[in-house]
Amino acid sequence: AQSVTQLDSQVPVFEEAPVELRCNYSSSVSVYLFWYVQYPNQGLQLLLKYLSGSTLVKGINGFEAEFNKSQTSFHLRKPSVHISDTAEYFCAVIASGGYNKLIFGAGTRLAVHP
Amino acid sequence: DGGITQSPKYLFRKEGQNVTLSCEQNLNHDAMYWYRQDPGQGLRLIYYSQIVNDFQKGDIAEGYSVSREKKESFPLTVTSAQKNPTAFYLCASSITRDSTDTQYFGPGTRLTVL
Repeated sequence: AQSVTQLDSQVPVFEEAPVELRCNYSSSVSVYLFWYVQYPNQGLQLLLKYLSGSTLVKGINGFEAEFNKSQTSFHLRKPSVHISDTAEYFCAVIASGGYNKLIFGAGTRLAVHP
Repeated sequence: DGGITQSPKYLFRKEGQNVTLSCEQNLNHDAMYWYRQDPGQGLRLIYYSQIVNDFQKGDIAEGYSVSREKKESFPLTVTSAQKNPTAFYLCASSITRDSTDTQYFGPGTRLTVL
């Protein structure tokens, strides 16, 4: 079975500052990794995903994430945040080769202040 | 525009009543999913369907039922047997059930039991 831990439930940050949202996973098999963003009262939108290849994955809105197999982590980063990045961010995993069942973390609420 | 629609956006139910949440997609995707989201928690899978006339229970199927009579439609019924139905419900779809296929989410339905 897989599990996902998002280490921070809330992350406050000032506009134009860098941010890192942390995600660790547990799995006995290889996994695919995802980051989704949710704006208030809306559905989820895919930011980026790691399936294979380069461990540094670039996504939409200037976000990137790095897959670290030895540390079982997939942290999300942005070098300079905007007010519009205020949202909830979810890390998720799927067991590779299995069916398409996403296992989500509890989410991290990013609050960007002026 | 292709996408996933969910209706209604807000739904109120009296205890003891069954309610049905609508999910429609025009993406020509084979696989569809229902998730439940509670505050401070990640999404949990209720039911999924890989193809028309087929569906499988997810992690929290008790008190819910689904049907998949058409490729584009996957309605969810919340029955009176669901002990704590107040939550945000999200529908998703993917091209196939393959674990590499991205899941795309609808805007959600917020159900409140009065």
